Amino acid sequence: NAGVTQTPKFQVLKTGQSMTLQCAQDMNHNSMYWYRQDPGMGLRLIYYSASEGTTDKGEVPNGYNVSRLNKREFSLRLESAAPSQTSVYFCASRDRGTDTQYFGPGTRLTVL
Amino acid sequence: QKEVEQDPGPLSVPEGAIVSLNCTYSNSAFQYFMWYRQYSRKGPELLMYTYSSGNKEDGRFTAQVDKSSKYISLFIRDSQPSDSATYLCAMTGNTPLVFGKGTRLSVIA
Repeated sequence: NAGVTQTPKFQVLKTGQSMTLQCAQDMNHNSMYWYRQDPGMGLRLIYYSASEGTTDKGEVPNGYNVSRLNKREFSLRLESAAPSQTSVYFCASRDRGTDTQYFGPGTRLTVL
Repeated sequence: QKEVEQDPGPLSVPEGAIVSLNCTYSNSAFQYFMWYRQYSRKGPELLMYTYSSGNKEDGRFTAQVDKSSKYISLFIRDSQPSDSATYLCAMTGNTPLVFGKGTRLSVIA
């Protein structure tokens, strides 16, 4: 039981490049989330998926797209990376019974 | 007014001290309250979970919720250097979790 896994762990991009962050969970949770964490800003919700086939915007969705590929996988795409997207990105899935979220280890992204 | 307010610290205490961490919130619809611990360069991990008002104890950790005051607390007894981390409160009322910005705690041996 790996919980929530994320790839890659680290990434450096140049401005304008694109990339996809991958997330998978093996806890059979319906809901999954993408956050970014910046110093002094806390965790901010980018997008979430309440169930397979649905996605919704969070607090800071601009510049990102998501895909809920199946119940296990939820990916985050940066189409044209900008330096303001330099951050640590966390994926999480939610246990509906207790309403608690379980986080992956994060992806550290630097955009030059 | 932000939905959840949390003092960012940093908070530095000697080993063995009792630590009190707090959050206030404004949304009376919040029913589920959590504390997450985040070590440096790691993802947040769930530490305590409480539903509605009251206390919950787990080893050296006690979580308190006072819904009338919209105030939640986490107490750490006999603090250890291994407790050094950032502690984030989080809460929800059938909406996506709302997080505090976290309090950085250092326990000095």
